[in-house]
Amino acid sequence: AQSVTQLGSHVSVSEGALVLLRCNYSSSVPPYLFWYVQYPNQGLQLLLKYTSAATLVKGINGFEAEFKKSETSFHLTKPSAHMSDAAEYFCAVSSNQAGTALIFGKGTTLSVSS
Amino acid sequence: DAGVTQSPTHLIKTRGQQVTLRCSPKSGHDTVSWYQQALGQGPQFIFQYYEEEERQRGNFPDRFSGHQFPNYSSELNVNALLLGDSALYLCASSSTDEIQETQYFGPGTRLLVL
Repeated sequence: AQSVTQLGSHVSVSEGALVLLRCNYSSSVPPYLFWYVQYPNQGLQLLLKYTSAATLVKGINGFEAEFKKSETSFHLTKPSAHMSDAAEYFCAVSSNQAGTALIFGKGTTLSVSS
Repeated sequence: DAGVTQSPTHLIKTRGQQVTLRCSPKSGHDTVSWYQQALGQGPQFIFQYYEEEERQRGNFPDRFSGHQFPNYSSELNVNALLLGDSALYLCASSSTDEIQETQYFGPGTRLLVL
């Protein structure tokens, strides 16, 4: 069985500050992990994915995430927040690298203030 | 390339009615998955269709059924609607020939059950 827990339903940062969104996973098989972003009234856009090739994964818009097996974590970071980063972020796990039949966390709302 | 398209964008139904939602996958994709996203929650996997058959199913009752057509487009049907079926329904497509390519999500259909 697989599951994902996102710590913190709401994160607020100032523009230019570090963004850290936390995700812990549970999986009985080697996991494929994903971060998606959802802007208001829109679908999901893939930020990055972990497919076991490298533990540090770089994605779009300056985001990156590090897979830590010992901590069962896959936290999302960005060195400097922009106002345009304000959105809902979802961590998800799948048993395949295409990311089908995804199991999502409950999401974290990121707010960015000027 | 139009990407994944869904119709309608919004829909209002009453309890007990039936609804059909439609999805056209991204060009070149042959697999379609459906997700339900309740307000303030992460998406939940409903089922996946490939070669016109349901291949995987999440924890949803039989009131939720689907279909895939020879052109790979898909329908999601929900019978005997309940108030709790109000949600954003997301369609995602992927390709079995390109397993390293992640699935793409459509913008969703927002269903309101009164």
